[in-house]
Amino acid sequence: QKEVEQNSGPLSVPEGAIASLNCTYSDRVSQSFFWYRQYSGKSPELIMSIYSNGDKEDGRFTAQLNKASQYVSLLIRDSQPSDSATYLCAVNILIYNQGGKLIFGQGTELSVKP
Amino acid sequence: KAGVTQTPRYLIKTRGQQVTLSCSPISGHRSVSWYQQTPGQGLQFLFEYFSETQRNKGNFPGRFSGRQFSNSRSEMNVSTLELGDSALYLCASSSSGTIHNEQFFGPGTRLTVL
Repeated sequence: QKEVEQNSGPLSVPEGAIASLNCTYSDRVSQSFFWYRQYSGKSPELIMSIYSNGDKEDGRFTAQLNKASQYVSLLIRDSQPSDSATYLCAVNILIYNQGGKLIFGQGTELSVKP
Repeated sequence: KAGVTQTPRYLIKTRGQQVTLSCSPISGHRSVSWYQQTPGQGLQFLFEYFSETQRNKGNFPGRFSGRQFSNSRSEMNVSTLELGDSALYLCASSSSGTIHNEQFFGPGTRLTVL
């Protein structure tokens, strides 16, 4: 089993719809979860961080975390063509309580059609 | 604040050569992590440096090495290049002040090995 798994894409949604991106992870002690957006040919850009169970909203983005189910998701409301990108889920694997390393999922490609 | 910078942005080398990549973190950030991104393997953690010491390491051969200077700038070296080393090499910095390890990526160095 991979450490971080994302639902396979590509995911296509019409403009204005809600895009739902999902991610599961295997490390039960992880406490930090991130969503990065990566446009083609560019580097990953951090768009959401979430550390506690529940929802965290930032503009059109909502991250949801359920540690019991080892599940984290990202909702994008009112999707725009400019949201078309690959979304990477990352989980911080703590190492001896010092920083750690980010483990990434393979990414979900999102396409928002006008 | 200026973001993470990486040089060079593009590099073409031949098999057997070595290469050195450079990364300057966000001002005040003391942790620098390196990642390799390829279409097949995705984003994979190479190593992390903090206060001039390698703190964490991924599963890469010893040909991949790095170092960090007192000003937190970091370099990554790959010796005896192989065709499979062609990838986007990303550097990320973190303030490392908490256990959450929120990381911000630079633009990357695209390495092509011929």
